[in-house]
Amino acid sequence: QSALTQPASVSGSPGQSTTISCTGTSSDVGGYNYVSWYQQHPGKAPKLMIYDVSNRPSGVSNRFSGSKSGNTASLTISGLQAEDEADYYCSSYTSSSTRYVFGTGTKVTVL
Amino acid sequence: QVQLVESGGGVVQPGGSLRLSCAASGFTFSTYGIHWVRQAPGKGLEWVALIRYDGNNKYYAESVKGRFTISRDNSKNTLYLQMNSLSADDTALYYCARDGYTYGDDYFDYWGQGTLVTVSS
Repeated sequence: QSALTQPASVSGSPGQSTTISCTGTSSDVGGYNYVSWYQQHPGKAPKLMIYDVSNRPSGVSNRFSGSKSGNTASLTISGLQAEDEADYYCSSYTSSSTRYVFGTGTKVTVL
Repeated sequence: QVQLVESGGGVVQPGGSLRLSCAASGFTFSTYGIHWVRQAPGKGLEWVALIRYDGNNKYYAESVKGRFTISRDNSKNTLYLQMNSLSADDTALYYCARDGYTYGDDYFDYWGQGTLVTVSS
């Protein structure tokens, strides 16, 4: 099972929006609504930002939103803030022998 | 509040074994699946294993299947990962993470701070 494909990096100015893609196959992202997103600051544990494609846990800013089209899921961060600068990972349930798979990770830089 | 605290990491020689533990508190441990996720230095996240709430169903990444064993003791609110035949590729920070669904599995809603495993001679 290969990792889901994410861009290595994205950037944006404060106040702008940015979108991170997460591309898989029909065996994972495209086949199930079990896509989640995690934010990880340096030296810290990952934090859940989005689950089941587009649901936001309590306490997560509504500037974060998720969606899916076909085999590609997306995380959009609107109104970029300096604190959003971090690594972001998608994850999906997969019908392969490996039950879960993560994306390759995307570094978000706030210019 | 939900807390997950990993322990048991350290330096081990190639071919050696190590057992990690994850002590849970702040929730009804016996109703949630728990995962192990690892992160090699400077690399991305890799899902390792899952044990369902009652311990009856276990799942492993291909990279560890046959070498790692996940288990749990619901009376002690503790998760374990027995790691055998370790190689340099297993060097990583190992996180335990709670699944977000009771009696099911779907995503990782709470994470510990991780325990570092270094495989080196």
